This record gives sequence, C-alpha cells and structure tokens, in this order.
Amino acid sequence: GAGVSQSPRYKVAKRGQDVALRCDPISGHVSLFWYQQALGQGPEFLTYFQNEAQLDKSGLPSDRFFAERPEGSVSTLKIQRTQQEDSAVYLCASSSRLAGTDTQYFGPGTRLTVL
Amino acid sequence: ILNVEQSPQSLHVQEGDSTNFTCSFPSSNFYALHWYRWETAKSPEALFVMTLNGDEKKKGRISATLNTKEGYSYLYIKGSQPEDSATYLCAFNSGAGSYQLTFGKGTKLSVIP
Repeated sequence: GAGVSQSPRYKVAKRGQDVALRCDPISGHVSLFWYQQALGQGPEFLTYFQNEAQLDKSGLPSDRFFAERPEGSVSTLKIQRTQQEDSAVYLCASSSRLAGTDTQYFGPGTRLTVL
Repeated sequence: ILNVEQSPQSLHVQEGDSTNFTCSFPSSNFYALHWYRWETAKSPEALFVMTLNGDEKKKGRISATLNTKEGYSYLYIKGSQPEDSATYLCAFNSGAGSYQLTFGKGTKLSVIP
C-alpha cells in the first residue's frame, strides 16, 4: 500500500517568507509525528497528533512554527517568517496507534533551505 | 534531557565484511528502542522495535541485540553488500505517556564493492 508522502520534497525560501509543508500519512493511521533534522544531527521531535488533537507540541522551537491536522488525516507544518536556522529536513511519520512500541513509518522528508 | 549516542559516526567496509555498530541510551525509564535504515533520497525504513532486555531480532543479514540494564543495543550486518550503504539510526522511547522518539545522530555505513 501507499506509504507516507510529503510535499514538496525540496523548498527554497527567502528569509522572512512563510512556508507550508504537507504530510499525507498512511490511511487509517491514528498518530502523526513531525521531526526536524538539522545538518549533522539526528531527527528531533517537534510535535504529534492523535487524530485531529495535537497532544504535544513541546518540541516546536518557536511560536513561528505551527502544525495542524484538522480532519485527522493530512497534516501541515507551517513556518512563519523563516530564518536561516530553520534550514533542515522536516520528516513526518505516522503510526497505527499511539504507543512507544509502535513502529513509526516515515515519509521521505522535505528539505527546506532558507537563504 | 535524554541522550542517545551512536558509534562510530561513519564506517567504510569492504563488500563481504561483517560489521556492527552501537547505540547507547539511558538505562532508566526504558520503554522501547527502534532501529531504522535511511538511504539517501528515500524514507527511513523501520528495521526493529525492541522492548525486552536480552531481546535479539533478525531480518535477513541484519540482526540486533538489546541490553536495557546497561543501556546499549548492537546492530550487526553479516556479509555487507553495497545495497547496505545507508545511515543507520537508533531511537529511544521512554514510555510514561511520551510517544515521541529520541534519535541518535546515526552511523553512516559505506560498503565498497
């Protein structure tokens, strides 16, 4: 079946621009996670949803970052007034339940470059 | 702050060699340890989820062991092939109502034909 998809795959933004990154999880998956991977680092947690409820957003680095999943399927991560330090790969993952033992299935990521 | 360390950072091996890498994690509040393989331009691929001390899991030529008391996991690749070239990530979950994964920086494996 179809895996997790993300769009766009690559995004170049000028400093100060707003960007929106989309994630299509595996159909029927309850949980959706966003991670940020800066160059040379491992992925770092940003936020997660159970259905449409955002249960934890403690990893969002600033109030310029906003995520939503209004109908409990597709999610959008929005970054306002992008800064150079926002340059990273943004990964989305989904899982069938909300449990630390459940496999999280990842998309290919969106590589954001802020000039 | 949870700290997950992976070593080595990168590794070059000849085709046919066997290799292994290490993931260390906090031994307290352990719930699960995940291993992923991430090839360039692709999605990270789940390899194993490990939960029990002494657990051993195997998938083809790749296997993993888990020691929760001392806080480490080993990933082994037997008879490395060029298609094994990828970054191998481990990720820790502490349970207790926390569902996100804390990742190491990964081990980048290059298999030379």
